[in-house]
Amino acid sequence: KAGVTQTPRYLIKTRGQQVTLSCSPISGHRSVSWYQQTPGQGLQFLFEYFSETQRNKGNFPGRFSGRQFSNSRSEMNVSTLELGDSALYLCASSSGVADGSLANTGELFFGEGSRLTVL
Amino acid sequence: AQSVTQPDIHITVSEGASLELRCNYSYGATPYLFWYVQSPGQGLQLLLKYFSGDTLVQGIKGFEAEFKRSQSSFNLRKPSVHWSVAAEYFCAVGARGYSTLTFGKGTMLLVSP
Repeated sequence: KAGVTQTPRYLIKTRGQQVTLSCSPISGHRSVSWYQQTPGQGLQFLFEYFSETQRNKGNFPGRFSGRQFSNSRSEMNVSTLELGDSALYLCASSSGVADGSLANTGELFFGEGSRLTVL
Repeated sequence: AQSVTQPDIHITVSEGASLELRCNYSYGATPYLFWYVQSPGQGLQLLLKYFSGDTLVQGIKGFEAEFKRSQSSFNLRKPSVHWSVAAEYFCAVGARGYSTLTFGKGTMLLVSP
């Protein structure tokens, strides 16, 4: 079974530009989460999508947005890039059941990430 | 709110020696607990997880971890390390029934010859 695929793996942008990152989850997985990883802040949760709806959201400004398509693929967008947005953006998929269900194990499968550099 | 503390930013272990990486969590109820490993330039790979039951859990690559409720800890252990396990290790906590995890800041493991 193919793993989580993220594209592009590396990209360089300048301040003020916007960027779109893509994530294809493991086949059959319905939940996609996004995390930002930086040396200073570590791994921080951005948002989670389940069945095309944002289910949970972290504490990031509105410049960070995402969406999920009917095939469970997800994109995240960062507008008006700032230097501090330079990071590794990790996508994770999980099988996805209703929040609060004990069948939801919370086990995440990560992609290799998209390394964004903002100049 | 839940949180995870990994007190050691870096740890150096001699090849063949035993390893213990510390993890303390804060959460009001019984959590789900995870250990992930990240090699340079890679994503995170799940080593092991605790949901319930036996407090000593076995994972991949010969790793194990013990859940101690009284100490709010979930320390990762390995009896003998090989140079290939040098990487960054992350402990994570999640609420039962939810997919959102809170990660510690990570411990970088270096293995000396």
